[in-house]
Amino acid sequence: DVKVTQSSRYLVKRTGEKVFLECVQDMDHENMFWYRQDPGLGLRLIYFSYDVKMKEKGDIPEGYSVSREKKERFSLILESASTNQTSMYLCASSAWGGLYGYTFGSGTRLTVV
Amino acid sequence: KNEVEQSPQNLTAQEGEFITINCSYSVGISALHWLQQHPGGGIVSLFMLSSGKKKHGRLIATINIQEKHSSLHITASHPRDSAVYICAVPHPQGAQKLVFGQGTRLTINP
Repeated sequence: DVKVTQSSRYLVKRTGEKVFLECVQDMDHENMFWYRQDPGLGLRLIYFSYDVKMKEKGDIPEGYSVSREKKERFSLILESASTNQTSMYLCASSAWGGLYGYTFGSGTRLTVV
Repeated sequence: KNEVEQSPQNLTAQEGEFITINCSYSVGISALHWLQQHPGGGIVSLFMLSSGKKKHGRLIATINIQEKHSSLHITASHPRDSAVYICAVPHPQGAQKLVFGQGTRLTINP
């Protein structure tokens, strides 16, 4: 069964900590995405990668960075976590062009205290 | 940016009822996605369609490209259908990216 795996379901971090969220896909997909989901705001794109070492800012990149050193792994980094980054984070992947559907991970619920 | 509007935002129905969720978008698209998210869970892709109608079990998705409108129907609804249903369309600046509606929270009571 093809899969997008996020390393943690629940995470609690302190303000100012550096936080790594990891995502791995086993479908050899070119595209990988990080979204955050907040009540009333829906899903918003943070960063997108269309190839190894390639990245593109989404709609809300401030306070985040990403890393894609290998095709199957896409990491989201919160350089200095803040309470307004408390959210559900979802990783997704798709084949080139996005015409063959998307596969989402189970999500990581991050709480910054 | 492609604006995506879903209606209703919340829907409560009795088991067995026929359910319709609507999605409208502002910019022409190549395909539209319907997604399902259970409480606390990840998102599952239900349909990707570019024209006409698709059916999977009790779920039916239709799209009218000229009217920029899509509907998701659930026949003989069941409590396990309770979830958030989200429509999404390609971003005008890159089809690999999606623009999402805010979701419709569906609750089916036994």
